[in-house]
Amino acid sequence: DTGVSQNPRHKITKRGQNVTFRCDPISEHNRLYWYRQTLGQGPEFLTYFQNEAQLEKSRLLSDRFSAERPKGSFSTLEIQRTEQGDSAMYLCASSLPGTTSEAFFGQGTRLTVV
Amino acid sequence: RKEVEQDPGPFNVPEGATVAFNCTYSNSASQSFFWYRQDCRKEPKLLMSVYSSGNEDGRFTAQLNRASQYISLLIRDSKLSDSATYLCVVPPVVDKLIFGTGTRLQVFP
Repeated sequence: DTGVSQNPRHKITKRGQNVTFRCDPISEHNRLYWYRQTLGQGPEFLTYFQNEAQLEKSRLLSDRFSAERPKGSFSTLEIQRTEQGDSAMYLCASSLPGTTSEAFFGQGTRLTVV
Repeated sequence: RKEVEQDPGPFNVPEGATVAFNCTYSNSASQSFFWYRQDCRKEPKLLMSVYSSGNEDGRFTAQLNRASQYISLLIRDSKLSDSATYLCVVPPVVDKLIFGTGTRLQVFP
């Protein structure tokens, strides 16, 4: 499968625990995005990378959230001290750079904080 | 004001109907525009890009109005399979993809 891969697909965690999600983009894509989506809402921008460089992190994102892309390939999103409000679908997407490039999404990781 | 705004709907239309959605954006510097489609419990997928001159792909027509800062999507001859959420994407800077809240379309027989 040469699409965007996200792991795990589902994660249930207790409030206060740390969680880490992984995203493997399409191999030649150097742009990588993280979004959060809740029911009835569009994907909310969290952060994005050009290769290993994190270009921007949403101001809505608290310090409990951190993302890395150490070698410019896969990326991880970590949430520390999870809260019930963190429950959502976390989507990763990748693309080639350019104004008209299509972003391809993974199937997401559904996080439930209990 | 949100960067990208859409009427959440739902729009409930019969098969064969024509339906149109609008999406307004706040950043006048945006240069590229897209419509994505998201089926229930699935990931978003690109439907079409929106060019300055407007573009058409079969039953789908996308248009851009820079003066009023909105883009539109027109679907003609609606099919049951068109039922989905339609997301507009307006990057405020190149490659920073900002999604609207989405407009839900339900086509009924």
